[in-house]
Amino acid sequence: DTAVSQTPKYLVTQMGNDKSIKCEQNLGHDTMYWYKQDSKKFLKIMFSYNNKELIINETVPNRFSPKSPDKAHLNLHINSLELGDSAVYFCASSQSFLAGGLPHEQYFGPGTRLTVT
Amino acid sequence: SQQGEEDPQALSIQEGENATMNCSYKTSINNLQWYRQNSGRGLVHLILIRSNEREKHSGRLRVTLDTSKKSSSLLITASRAADTASYFCATASWGGGFKTIFGAGTRLFVKA
Repeated sequence: DTAVSQTPKYLVTQMGNDKSIKCEQNLGHDTMYWYKQDSKKFLKIMFSYNNKELIINETVPNRFSPKSPDKAHLNLHINSLELGDSAVYFCASSQSFLAGGLPHEQYFGPGTRLTVT
Repeated sequence: SQQGEEDPQALSIQEGENATMNCSYKTSINNLQWYRQNSGRGLVHLILIRSNEREKHSGRLRVTLDTSKKSSSLLITASRAADTASYFCATASWGGGFKTIFGAGTRLFVKA
């Protein structure tokens, strides 16, 4: 059983297109995240949701729009894709820090490699 | 700016040797976590150390935390070829919501 799953695993698309990446977790976690990992392996937080509500929104172009239909899903939609969007995008989940007051370890999905040509 | 920075960027050792990786950070933290990433895979959580702890062990892993120096180290003893991966430290601190910030990682290569 995959704890955190993402689809698709690979995504190749042209500049200007709109694409979505889906993420689902079956761990019963309340908090979910999206990260971007660039070619130098630097991992940067993009968004964090807790119980379907946005709690962290880093400086990300508004072409990126996360959507959480329920607490087990956090999808990422990207409009007008640019070359610089090429990266590996990771979804993650964790127990809610709001409940215990402490940040917990995160469980990562396998990543989606996005290539914009 | 980046919170956690690992040192060295890359490390190559023989199987059986110990591997030590260091992490430095800039602001106050609630906890510090270490993750491993195998090539082409997602990150896997290894160990979490809270700001009021100084040392923690998990199997062949030993993590230390020095909040006065804002630094942490990860020691892998008796390394194995399967330990070959990138290792990331991540600091969790409050910023309107707990934010976990990852460093750029140390690439460890263990030669059989």
